[in-house]
Amino acid sequence: GDSVTQMEGPVTLSEEAFLTINCTYTATGYPSLFWYVQYPGEGLQLLLKATKADDKGSNKGFEATYRKETTSFHLEKGSVQVSDSAVYFCALDSSNTGKLIFGQGTTLQVKP
Amino acid sequence: SAVISQKPSRDICQRGTSLTIQCQVDSQVTMMFWYRQQPGQSLTLIATANQGSEATYESGFVIDKFPISRPNLTFSTLTVSNMSPEDSSIYLCSPGLFRIRCRYIQETQYFGPGTRLLVL
Repeated sequence: GDSVTQMEGPVTLSEEAFLTINCTYTATGYPSLFWYVQYPGEGLQLLLKATKADDKGSNKGFEATYRKETTSFHLEKGSVQVSDSAVYFCALDSSNTGKLIFGQGTTLQVKP
Repeated sequence: SAVISQKPSRDICQRGTSLTIQCQVDSQVTMMFWYRQQPGQSLTLIATANQGSEATYESGFVIDKFPISRPNLTFSTLTVSNMSPEDSSIYLCSPGLFRIRCRYIQETQYFGPGTRLLVL
């Protein structure tokens, strides 16, 4: 079945460091791919998405490119801030109905 | 983006009791997804609820434990029955396939704010 695998956390970085959180997927067909963020004590927020191969999603300085050849959707940010500390979830929708399959989540801690 | 509300936002319950969680969306949607997020874990789909038909449950979840109602296209409830401490989680609803002027549009997936449940 479809699945999403994220890199193990926690990821600890200093402020202004470069961030990469790896995400790979297994799916039939052409899924849509998402990154969600969950700040401490808050709900789930959509960060960015991509719906077809080579699409780049971006928001708040974060970017991810849909790579079909490597079945990946890695999240990147050039310079992280303390306020980016959160749990990040990669997800896919292979049925185009909104039914999502999530990765296990990666905790990011940014220190000043 | 859709406006999604859930009630209650949080609750503390005794084992053996049941809690019904409500989810209200400001648009008509064909499908409603219910997810569970156990402490420190990712989100797992419990079931998919369509209006006018029985919900479809994922492996490991059964109707007797998590009965779902879907009385109309903007509202759904999830009941957590005969609760045990293992049911302590955040429960989230998520609408899919919005109905806009007789067309169905797959909008980006949004989530309700969640219901934080603690079972003692």
